[in-house]
Amino acid sequence: QQQVKQSPQSLIVQKGGISIINCAYENTAFDYFPWYQQFPGKGPALLIAIRPDVSEKKEGRFTISFNKSAKQFSLHIMDSQPGDSATYFCAASRRDSNYQLIWGAGTKLIIKP
Amino acid sequence: DARVTQTPRDKVTEMGQEVTMRCQPILGHNTVFWYRQTMMQGLELLAYFRNRAPLDDSGMPKDRFSAEMPDATLATLKIQPSEPRDSAVYFCASGWREDTEAFFGQGTRLTVV
Repeated sequence: QQQVKQSPQSLIVQKGGISIINCAYENTAFDYFPWYQQFPGKGPALLIAIRPDVSEKKEGRFTISFNKSAKQFSLHIMDSQPGDSATYFCAASRRDSNYQLIWGAGTKLIIKP
Repeated sequence: DARVTQTPRDKVTEMGQEVTMRCQPILGHNTVFWYRQTMMQGLELLAYFRNRAPLDDSGMPKDRFSAEMPDATLATLKIQPSEPRDSAVYFCASGWREDTEAFFGQGTRLTVV
C-alpha cells in the first residue's frame, strides 16, 4: 500500500521526442506527488509537483498528468534535449504521515542527439 | 545562492571505524532529512527533524546509526561501528515543510572497506 511503482527503469529517446515516465500507487490517501531530477554526482532536485485536485500541471517542457481514478501519474518531457539526460524519481506522500515521501525506483533517461 | 552543504563529499573508511557526516541546511529551513541512496534500495529515508526535534528515525538501524541536530545550522549522521553494507551515498535535504520542496545537498559518498 505504501509503494510507488515507477516504469520504465530506463528510457532512450531521440532529441526532440517526447519522454514519458509512469508511476502508479495504491494508497488513495496520498495527496502530494512530486517529480525529482537527479544528475550524476548531484542530489535530487524538485522538477515539478502536483496535488490530486488537478489533472495536469505544466511547467515549460515538463508536464505531470494525474489520473486519480487509475491511481497513476506520469511525467511528460516535450522536445526532449540531451541536457534532460538524468535519473527521474516520482514520489508520493500524505498529510497523516507527516508527508514522508515514498519514492519510486527511478528512471534513467538518455536523450540521444 | 542558498544551498545545503554536506561534508565530507567522499569518505573511505575501514570496517569498524566511526563515521560522522555533517550537513548545513539552508538558513531558515525548519525541516531536515537524511537519506541513503544505493543502486539496490534506491532512496531510503533514514531520519528527519522538524525544528531540530527528531520526528521519525524508523528507517535508521538504531544499533549503529545516530542522527542529531546540535543547532539549527548543523545536522549530523554518525555510524559506529561502520560496516561494508553501509557503503552508499548519504544525502541531507532541508525544506520549509515536509510537503514542499526538499533541497538536497550533493551527498557524501561513503565507502567502507
